[in-house]
Amino acid sequence: NAGVMQNPRHLVRRRGQEARLRCSPMKGHSHVYWYRQLPEEGLKFMVYLQKENIIDESGMPKERFSAEFPKEGPSILRIQQVVRGDSAAYFCASSPLLAGGPTDTQYFGPGTRLTVL
Amino acid sequence: RKEVEQDPGPFNVPEGATVAFNCTYSNSASQSFFWYRQDCRKEPKLLMSVYSSGNEDGRFTAQLNRASQYISLLIRDSKLSDSATYLCVVIGSGGYNKLIFGAGTRLAVHP
Repeated sequence: NAGVMQNPRHLVRRRGQEARLRCSPMKGHSHVYWYRQLPEEGLKFMVYLQKENIIDESGMPKERFSAEFPKEGPSILRIQQVVRGDSAAYFCASSPLLAGGPTDTQYFGPGTRLTVL
Repeated sequence: RKEVEQDPGPFNVPEGATVAFNCTYSNSASQSFFWYRQDCRKEPKLLMSVYSSGNEDGRFTAQLNRASQYISLLIRDSKLSDSATYLCVVIGSGGYNKLIFGAGTRLAVHP
């Protein structure tokens, strides 16, 4: 059973370009979370998605950032018109759905390190 | 005030030492608590959940004090391989299992 997969592992963009980060949850997991870790800081929650639904996007910047988790395929975090301040590690986590709701345990992918030049 | 606050560290200890990390959280409605470990430039990995009764896993012991909103992690007989950043994590309010991370405490174990 493969773990959470993220790609690319490293992404370099110039200011103004778009960045697309992909996350494939563990098999059988239907809940995906995205977190951002700025240099020398802790992880910050960005968004929580289920298949085809955004449940909580309270941690997403109001502009330029969007996320989706389609019925088929990976979850995508999209950053438009990137700026230097977007340089960070972006981690995806997934959790399974059990009767009554998702479990507390979240399994993290290896992250995508975005560098904006 | 940050939702989860930790000792800033770094802690530099010799092999075999006992080291304790502290953490406080601000939301008294929080229900679930964890310690994660993060190695340099890698993803966080769950070390252990923290329960009111306290729990132990080998050399690691976690305690929760709900009245003081305080969480601790004790590592006995430190190994070189314990060198990492330890993250105190709380489930946020709202029922969505949103993890709230502390900034982490760095531990360096030396020979």
